[in-house]
Parts: sequence; C-alpha cells; structure tokens
Amino acid sequence: DAGVTQSPTHLIKTRGQHVTLRCSPISGHKSVSWYQQVLGQGPQFIFQYYEKEERGRGNFPDRFSARQFPNYSSELNVNALLLGDSALYLCASSLDRFPGELFFGEGSRLTVL
Amino acid sequence: GENVEQHPSTLSVQEGDSAVIKCTYSDSASNYFPWYKQELGKRPQLIIDIRSNVGEKKDQRIAVTLNKTAKHFSLHITETQPEDSAVYFCAASYPAAGNKLTFGGGTRVLVKP
Repeated sequence: DAGVTQSPTHLIKTRGQHVTLRCSPISGHKSVSWYQQVLGQGPQFIFQYYEKEERGRGNFPDRFSARQFPNYSSELNVNALLLGDSALYLCASSLDRFPGELFFGEGSRLTVL
Repeated sequence: GENVEQHPSTLSVQEGDSAVIKCTYSDSASNYFPWYKQELGKRPQLIIDIRSNVGEKKDQRIAVTLNKTAKHFSLHITETQPEDSAVYFCAASYPAAGNKLTFGGGTRVLVKP
C-alpha cells in the first residue's frame, strides 16, 4: 500500500509569488492535516480537513488556504510568499478526525528567495 | 491554546545506555500524547503513544510515562543503539482539537558507538 504522497518534493519561489502543494492520503483515510516545519523546530499545525470540510485552523495568516477534494486528496495554497515561509510542509493523513496516529508524507521543501 | 515544552534539546549517550526525554503540556484537557521519531531528511514516524487513561506504556526498548497531575510525560529508551540516533518529538492533543497535534521543539539524540 502506498503511503502519503506529496508533490512537489522541492521548490524554489521568490517573494510575492504563489505556491500550491499537493497531498494524496493513504487509501481509506478521510482526514488530511497540514503542518509547517521550520528547520530545527517541531511541526506546527496549519489545517485539518475531514470529509472535505475544514475542521481546524492553526495560527497562520489568511495567505494560507487549503481544500480537500472528493477523493480525499488535498491542496495547500500560500499566496504572497515571504522569506519566512521557507520550510518543510508536511501532509499527514489519518482514518478519522479523532486523536490517533498521523501518517506523514515526506514533505515539500519550500525555499523562498 | 495548548503549549508543549520539551527537554533536553540535545542528548548524547553511549551505546547501551538509557535516554530520557521529558515534555510538559499546558492544557489539562489534553488526553493523547504521541512520540514521533524523525531521521535526517525523513518523515516523522510514530514510535509510541499513550492516552490519559493509562500511566505507562511499553514497547520493547521504548516506554512512555504520563503524570496527569503534573502535566508531564516522558520517553524512555533503554539499551540505546546507533539507529536510535534521530530527532524525537513529543506532542499533545485534546478532544476539541480533533486530531490536531501540538508538538514540542524536539530532542536531537546522538548514540555514540
């Protein structure tokens, strides 16, 4: 069985640009969460989606948005990129929306110049 | 919101010795406490978790203890091996947050042969 897959794996953008990151959860998993991991720090929660509805939002500006599609895959969008948005963006899937094991993808490493 | 503090930030041990990592959390409603291991350039992976209705859980060389009164939990690794070298993250979740995890800052463990 395939794990959580994310694309792209690496990307470089300049300040002010827009980025879209994609995630495919493990088959059968209905919940997708997004985390930002700055180098040397723990992951920080950005969004959780369950059954295509937003179920939680972290302390991130409105430049960050996400959605979940009928096949449970998800996109994270970041507008007006800042240097501080440079990080590893991790997608995690789980069976449901309750506390339990999160299965992380390998992440999308974003560099903003 | 929930806040999780993790100590130490780095830990160096001789192969065969034990390693202990400690975390404290702020929200008394938190009831799920996982530990994730992240090897260099890899995804975080769950190694053990504990729920608030138990005080201790073991899985081979790994154990986690929880003190709800003091709001702290610890990871214990016995008979450390070089492959235990990684960054370890504790996290906490409370029911109203769905499966959102609040992570600690991480502990970089180095096991010296």
